[in-house]
Amino acid sequence: RKEVEQDPGPFNVPEGATVAFNCTYSNSASQSFFWYRQDCRKEPKLLMSVYSSGNEDGRFTAQLNRASQYISLLIRDSKLSDSATYLCVVNIYGAGNMLTFGGGTRLMVKP
Amino acid sequence: EADIYQTPRYLVIGTGKKITLECSQTMGHDKMYWYQQDPGMELHLIHYSYGVNSTEKGDLSSESTVSRIRTEHFPLTLESARPSHTSQYLCASSEPRRMDEQFFGPGTRLTVL
Repeated sequence: RKEVEQDPGPFNVPEGATVAFNCTYSNSASQSFFWYRQDCRKEPKLLMSVYSSGNEDGRFTAQLNRASQYISLLIRDSKLSDSATYLCVVNIYGAGNMLTFGGGTRLMVKP
Repeated sequence: EADIYQTPRYLVIGTGKKITLECSQTMGHDKMYWYQQDPGMELHLIHYSYGVNSTEKGDLSSESTVSRIRTEHFPLTLESARPSHTSQYLCASSEPRRMDEQFFGPGTRLTVL
């Protein structure tokens, strides 16, 4: 079983739609969480960190559920430019503080 | 924008050649990483370093080697390139004060003929 699991998609949605991605992690010692965005043939870039209380950045909302060990990302009012792969990332403190990347969820926003 | 650089951006080379992929960062980060990623596939960690003179192998076995003689520089070397090495190689760095958020370079796209 992978340490960080995501539905690979693709999620095909029309412009303006609301879309949500979930991610589950297996190690309960995980301490910090991120969502990265990766455009086709580009490097991953940090989209947002995920805090225990949940956080919002414009159209993007991230939630953390420690009891169920999952993280979510909600995108409201989808834009064509949101089309990308979204990577769920978990940091397990202790074992060298390494980030573990999920396989990514691909989003395609259509006009 | 992150201050992490990779050269070359694209490399097409014949089988058997020795190659070195360069990675430099000006953020003073102690931790640096090399990932391998095929198109449409997930990232695989192949090497990492906690600081100068520290190198460790990652989750994915790789025939490449790395060195860390200076904080800002983390080159990756393939002694004898093969077509199976064709992939994108991404370098990253991080610091603990930012929860080890990783900053990525633009990548080197390697094609071995």
